[in-house]
Amino acid sequence: AQTVTQSQPEMSVQEAETVTLSCTYDTSESDYYLFWYKQPPSRQMILVIRQEAYKQQNATENRFSVNFQKAAKSFSLKISDSQLGDAAMYFCAYRGSFSGAGSYQLTFGKGTKLSVIP
Amino acid sequence: DTEVTQTPKHLVMGMTNKKSLKCEQHMGHRAMYWYKQKAKKPPELMFVYSYEKLSINESVPSRFSPECPNSSLLNLHLHALQPEDSALYLCASSQGAGRYGYTFGSGTRLTVV
Repeated sequence: AQTVTQSQPEMSVQEAETVTLSCTYDTSESDYYLFWYKQPPSRQMILVIRQEAYKQQNATENRFSVNFQKAAKSFSLKISDSQLGDAAMYFCAYRGSFSGAGSYQLTFGKGTKLSVIP
Repeated sequence: DTEVTQTPKHLVMGMTNKKSLKCEQHMGHRAMYWYKQKAKKPPELMFVYSYEKLSINESVPSRFSPECPNSSLLNLHLHALQPEDSALYLCASSQGAGRYGYTFGSGTRLTVV
């Protein structure tokens, strides 16, 4: 079974600085999808960024970028120019590429709570 | 419309009550999901509907009964719940089986007294 590990339960960053959240996963698959979700106090899970395992290029969305190391099974999220609105719980998630009912399942890490200091 | 709408936002119910949670999306997504999230934990998958048919039931107790009346609506019927069922219930939808990510609603905060 796939597992996703986020080793940093909590992190903090100064406003306008850069922070990196780590995520590792375990899988025997060669093709899969990785996601970072943000959950602010408003509770809604918001998709931050997505990476397809067969693409070597790291995904980027504005101030958010990932460092995807397939061989090391590592998928870290870098937030540049941190803003107060970035404060939230961040979840790393894995989805396999297999077909059938199991393909609908997302495996989440336990989350990292990010605080932004003004 | 790029949202998943959940109602109500908050619900308090007694252990003998019957209530329903509602989820709606108009993005044309054909897969819809119910997740349960306890405080400071990641979401846990409960049910998956694909093309209005139940695809996954993660061994959820029968006091939770899902229903998908059409491609835009997903309900979760609640009956005889226990205090430990108090949690945030999140609905999500996806295009296909979720390779492009899931769109989540903001959840229903359920308290069972």
